[in-house]
Amino acid sequence: NAGVMQNPRHLVRRRGQEARLRCSPMKGHSHVYWYRQLPEEGLKFMVYLQKENIIDESGMPKERFSAEFPKEGPSILRIQQVVRGDSAAYFCASSPSGGANGDTQYFGPGTRLTVL
Amino acid sequence: GQNIDQPTEMTATEGAIVQINCTYQTSGFNGLFWYQQHAGEAPTFLSYNVLDGLEEKGRFSSFLSRSKGYSYLLLKELQMKDSASYLCAVREDTNAGKSTFGDGTTLTVKP
Repeated sequence: NAGVMQNPRHLVRRRGQEARLRCSPMKGHSHVYWYRQLPEEGLKFMVYLQKENIIDESGMPKERFSAEFPKEGPSILRIQQVVRGDSAAYFCASSPSGGANGDTQYFGPGTRLTVL
Repeated sequence: GQNIDQPTEMTATEGAIVQINCTYQTSGFNGLFWYQQHAGEAPTFLSYNVLDGLEEKGRFSSFLSRSKGYSYLLLKELQMKDSASYLCAVREDTNAGKSTFGDGTTLTVKP
């Protein structure tokens, strides 16, 4: 059973370009979470999605960032017009449900975004 | 909102025991998680506590006191490979799903 998959593992963009980060949850998981981790800092929650629905986007910056989890295919975190401050590791996690019974979130390997 | 505090760094000797503390202040509580994260890698799940008391799992144990807003992760018989960052995370709401993470404790195990 494959774990959470993210691609690309490393992404380099120039300022002003777009970054698209993909996450495929574990088989049987329908809940996806995106976190950002800046160097030497902890994980910061960004957004929580179920299939075709955004449940909680309280951690998403108001501009340039968007996320989706379509009926078919991976979840996408999209960053438009990237700036150097967007350079970070972006982790995706998935769980079978959204919090009942202490569902554990399983993390993917992350995408390390570098903005030049 | 939530406030989660844990020490930034700790150092211990191979074979010893170390306790990493985590305190939290939340408006709600639906469980506390501990994760291990090696440099450049993804966090991996270690433990989950939702009721008061001690949960033991091999060399690792985790304790929770909800009334005190306090948890600790206990690592026994330390090995060099235990050098990593240890993240405390609290889930506030049964319906929220998300977990709020502390900034992590970097543990260095020395020979």
